[in-house]
Amino acid sequence: DAKTTQPTSMDCAEGRAANLPCNHSTISGNEYVYWYRQIHSQGPQYIIHGLKNNETNEMASLIITEDRKSSTLILPHATLRDTAVYYCIVRVPRGSSNTGKLIFGQGTTLQVKP
Amino acid sequence: GAGVSQSPSNKVTEKGKDVELRCDPISGHTALYWYRQSLGQGLEFLIYFQGNSAPDKSGLPSDRFSAERTGGSVSTLTIQRTQQEDSAVYLCASSSGPLDSYEQYFGPGTRLTVT
Repeated sequence: DAKTTQPTSMDCAEGRAANLPCNHSTISGNEYVYWYRQIHSQGPQYIIHGLKNNETNEMASLIITEDRKSSTLILPHATLRDTAVYYCIVRVPRGSSNTGKLIFGQGTTLQVKP
Repeated sequence: GAGVSQSPSNKVTEKGKDVELRCDPISGHTALYWYRQSLGQGLEFLIYFQGNSAPDKSGLPSDRFSAERTGGSVSTLTIQRTQQEDSAVYLCASSSGPLDSYEQYFGPGTRLTVT
């Protein structure tokens, strides 16, 4: 699985957009970009994933560059409850020869401030 | 519906004792994963089950660690002769099959403290 690089920490004002970058310059053609977050004392929570195209769901948007070497997770209107560690992970989906296990890096600690 | 549940939520044990940690995955999820999270190591993969089989045990740190899954549902992670370095939060996750739904649903974890 490709390695990812994320900033250690970021701050964001409540109500503003939070843009969390991730570099994955060695990503392979069949690897997806996944984002999970972990709020303090809870298990990780899936946010969004994508392969090539930009994706949006009720939680966030994922912007993947054309060369797929980096991506940005966007929380459009951050709230205090979005304070968490955000993990960017790249991997091949689970299938006949892949387990789909998640390899977590150190992630980005996002602090949303009032 | 019910999510992934784990028990106990907290476990304190003496060094050298054996412990069992339980995971109840989401009903119908065929894939089950164990991870652990410790201060020094972050979140690390331990073992993967597809049904009752464990095709990937590569993350188990030593032969003191074992896991089983029965009936394609409940899984138990057993740590024998616990050591202080085993202190961590043990997390279980499940995912629907046969192919990846892209999401793994995590339980709240079991915090293990070895004294």
